[in-house]
Amino acid sequence: AQSVTQLDSQVPVFEEAPVELRCNYSSSVSVYLFWYVQYPNQGLQLLLKYLSGSTLVKGINGFEAEFNKSQTSFHLRKPSVHISDTAEYFCAFMNRDDKIIFGKGTRLHILP
Amino acid sequence: DARVTQTPRHKVTEMGQEVTMRCQPILGHNTVFWYRQTMMQGLELLAYFRNRAPLDDSGMPKDRFSAEMPDATLATLKIQPSEPRDSAVYFCASGSDKQGPLNTEAFFGQGTRLTVV
Repeated sequence: AQSVTQLDSQVPVFEEAPVELRCNYSSSVSVYLFWYVQYPNQGLQLLLKYLSGSTLVKGINGFEAEFNKSQTSFHLRKPSVHISDTAEYFCAFMNRDDKIIFGKGTRLHILP
Repeated sequence: DARVTQTPRHKVTEMGQEVTMRCQPILGHNTVFWYRQTMMQGLELLAYFRNRAPLDDSGMPKDRFSAEMPDATLATLKIQPSEPRDSAVYFCASGSDKQGPLNTEAFFGQGTRLTVV
C-alpha cells in the first residue's frame, strides 16, 4: 500500500537552530513529493515540491528538502528557524492516479 | 487574488441533522479534493473530482456522506445524518492538470470546522 510516514509527531527546536523534519514514503512507482505547512486555524500552503530533476529542492521561507530514492525519503530542512516557523508540517505524495496522500504531520515548536 | 473559498467556516449542529459544506475552487481549476482532518487520523482524503466527475470516493463513508459538483464553480460535501464522530475540519482543495499531470500543487481552502453535538 502507498503511504507517507512522518517519523516525528512533534519537534522542539531553539530559535535560530537548524531543523530537519523526516519523511519517508512507500510506493512501488515514481511519485511526486510535497511539503505543506499549516499555520494555526489556516488551510495548507505549499512549501516545496519535487517532480523530477535535481534532488535538492528549495522552497519558500528558507526551507529545502532532499529527495533520496534509495532511502525513499524526502526530509525537510531549514538551517536557522524563526519563531514564525511554528506550525504543522505535512509531507505528501501524488501517485499516478493524481491522488495526494498526506502524512500525519509534524508539529514544529520553536523555543525562545 | 485567486483562492479556494469554503463556506461555512464554522458549523455546530445537533446529531442527526443534515450538514452541507460548500467549496468554490479556483477559477479554471478542474480537480477538486475533499479532505477531513482530525487529531487522531490526520488528513484523510474523502473524495476527489476531475472535470466534475468523481474519480475516487473510497475514503468516504457511503451511508451518510455524499459529494457532488453541480457545476465547475461549486463542490459540495453533505453529511446526512450527522454524528458526533464526524466532528472535524473539512478541507477542500483544487488544482489543474491542464499543463499535463496534476503536478503543480493543490490549493487549499481555509476549511470548515464542524462540531456535531
